[in-house]
Amino acid sequence: GAGVSQSPSNKVTEKGKDVELRCDPISGHTALYWYRQRLGQGLEFLIYFQGNSAPDKSGLPSDRFSAERTGESVSTLTIQRTQQEDSAVYLCASRKSRVGLYNEQFFGPGTRLTVL
Amino acid sequence: AQSVSQHNHHVILSEAASLELGCNYSYGGTVNLFWYVQYPGQHLQLLLKYFSGDPLVKGIKGFEAEFIKSKFSFNLRKPSVQWSDTAEYFCAVNGQGTYKYIFGTGTRLKVLA
Repeated sequence: GAGVSQSPSNKVTEKGKDVELRCDPISGHTALYWYRQRLGQGLEFLIYFQGNSAPDKSGLPSDRFSAERTGESVSTLTIQRTQQEDSAVYLCASRKSRVGLYNEQFFGPGTRLTVL
Repeated sequence: AQSVSQHNHHVILSEAASLELGCNYSYGGTVNLFWYVQYPGQHLQLLLKYFSGDPLVKGIKGFEAEFIKSKFSFNLRKPSVQWSDTAEYFCAVNGQGTYKYIFGTGTRLKVLA
């Protein structure tokens, strides 16, 4: 079946512009994560969605960052007034259900964001 | 504080050499442990995972990892690497019953043909 997809694959923007990143999870996966990966660093948790529950936004680095997800479908991550330090690869992952044994995350290919 | 530490940032090996990548974690509770791999130009994908039971876990492509609870370690091993193992490897921990994962900074492995 289809995996997690993300678009665009690359995005170059000017400082101060807004960007929107999209994630299509695997069909039937109720859990969805956004991560940020800066060069030479590990994956930094940004936000978690589980079904129709309130998302865990504790990882969002500032109020310029927001994310939406409608039900168990597509999610968008929006960064307003981009700054150079926002340059990174943004990864999306989905997982089949809430917590439980044998659940693994499936990752998308990422969006490489470059802020000039 | 919860953290995952990967000691080797860059590793270069010749084909057929043995591999061991270190992973130590700090977490107050029972954990699930993972190794993910990212081949050049590809997605992050699961290499192997430990949830419970036998602490020696076998994954895809001949990789294995051993969970040593007393050392808070989950080192990745492969007896004989191939050029196609060139990739970046990430160790991750997840507290059982929780949804957050903590990732290490990754180890870039280059295997020389």
